Amino acid sequence: DAGITQSPRHKVTETGTPVTLRCHQTENHRYMYWYRQDPGHGLRLIHYSYGVKDTDKGEVSDGYSVSRSKTEDFLLTLESATSSQTSVYFCAVSREDTEAFFGQGTRLTVV
Amino acid sequence: RKEVEQDPGPFNVPEGATVAFNCTYSNSASQSFFWYRQDCRKEPKLLMSVYSSGNEDGRFTAQLNRASQYISLLIRDSKLSDSATYLCVANQAGTALIFGKGTTLSVSS
Repeated sequence: DAGITQSPRHKVTETGTPVTLRCHQTENHRYMYWYRQDPGHGLRLIHYSYGVKDTDKGEVSDGYSVSRSKTEDFLLTLESATSSQTSVYFCAVSREDTEAFFGQGTRLTVV
Repeated sequence: RKEVEQDPGPFNVPEGATVAFNCTYSNSASQSFFWYRQDCRKEPKLLMSVYSSGNEDGRFTAQLNRASQYISLLIRDSKLSDSATYLCVANQAGTALIFGKGTTLSVSS
């Protein structure tokens, strides 16, 4: 257990509304990641962070923004949710060049 | 081109069988490699790291071939409980972890 908490665990929201997902860690990992997982696509990287206020885009970053103002928190924001963003979102953490540990996931449905 | 590629399967094997998965990676600067297991609707969990010399953990053996840029996972004496999706990861230090799409294994009695 790497002390990772994702919130909320489930959310249903309407198209066009903003949504923020939170990832909280307790063990001071430098790297934090947001992935989405959809059938047939595996885990796709949305954004990641390599330190406070240091973030970079992944392969599916359009429509998403992130913020990391504290080591322990990494927020993922959908500025205006669309049905194509219905997915399972996983947060992960790691240290330099080591394995990643995952949160339990957030199931987001955009209707 | 996807940086990490896996045969999606599914691999359907009987209990007791030996099964092997391969995973290729495109970034020759990748330095660390891992295999994860993911059960349906759950988060991925680390199965084992992959070292250059190869490593074994019980019924599981992982190998790395840097020259051909692939990693492998061998499962001996398959159990029903081994049914899951297996994900490989290649990572270059200082960059994000990139996962393959996963290989589905179904072990039947």
